[in-house]
Amino acid sequence: DTEVTQTPKHLVMGMTNKKSLKCEQHMGHRAMYWYKQKAKKPPELMFVYSYEKLSINESVPSRFSPECPNSSLLNLHLHALQPEDSALYLCASSPPLQFEGRGAFFGQGTRLTVV
Amino acid sequence: GQQVMQIPQYQHVQEGEDFTTYCNSSTTLSNIQWYKQRPGGHPVFLIQLVKSGEVKKQKRLTFQFGEAKKNSSLHITATQTTDVGTYFCAGRNAGNNRKLIWGLGTSLAVNP
Repeated sequence: DTEVTQTPKHLVMGMTNKKSLKCEQHMGHRAMYWYKQKAKKPPELMFVYSYEKLSINESVPSRFSPECPNSSLLNLHLHALQPEDSALYLCASSPPLQFEGRGAFFGQGTRLTVV
Repeated sequence: GQQVMQIPQYQHVQEGEDFTTYCNSSTTLSNIQWYKQRPGGHPVFLIQLVKSGEVKKQKRLTFQFGEAKKNSSLHITATQTTDVGTYFCAGRNAGNNRKLIWGLGTSLAVNP
């Protein structure tokens, strides 16, 4: 019963494909995040959007391209990925910059396999 | 750079036993958050601690934030099989309120 919805749940893509991951939340949160998580590791921050503007890019390769069309939606465009990019991609949202005593709400994630 | 160390990495207990995981930061934190991730699931926010020496309880879970705001612990009393999962702490540097530094997590297994 997560309030952050991610699609698709699973994705297999070739190294020459272009695909997009989608994330939606209706909690009125103005901060949204993309994380990458490898097995048995903590989530690794990729991007932060605050009020629909990109505020943090953790030196992510350009083959990952985020987009925030409005306050409820967050996309991650994927192009020319490598097999090592296979991971669980998590979207999260929170009150702005997590100042308000509440943590981030995570979606169920997209399990991405690059072949 | 800032690090948050979390121990133990794994813990295996009998149902009904207690469990504790510890986090230590190399720098003073402004706050620390705890998350639980079930196998095959996503992280779920449990709590945020902000004040020095703060103690908060959620049923069988007790969370503590150290006086120096450099360490934290999560204690579970009388574990149940539903407690299985990985528990992560994530601390925010007192000098930079924008990014969480995650511990590596403690994976808890509970024998029924």
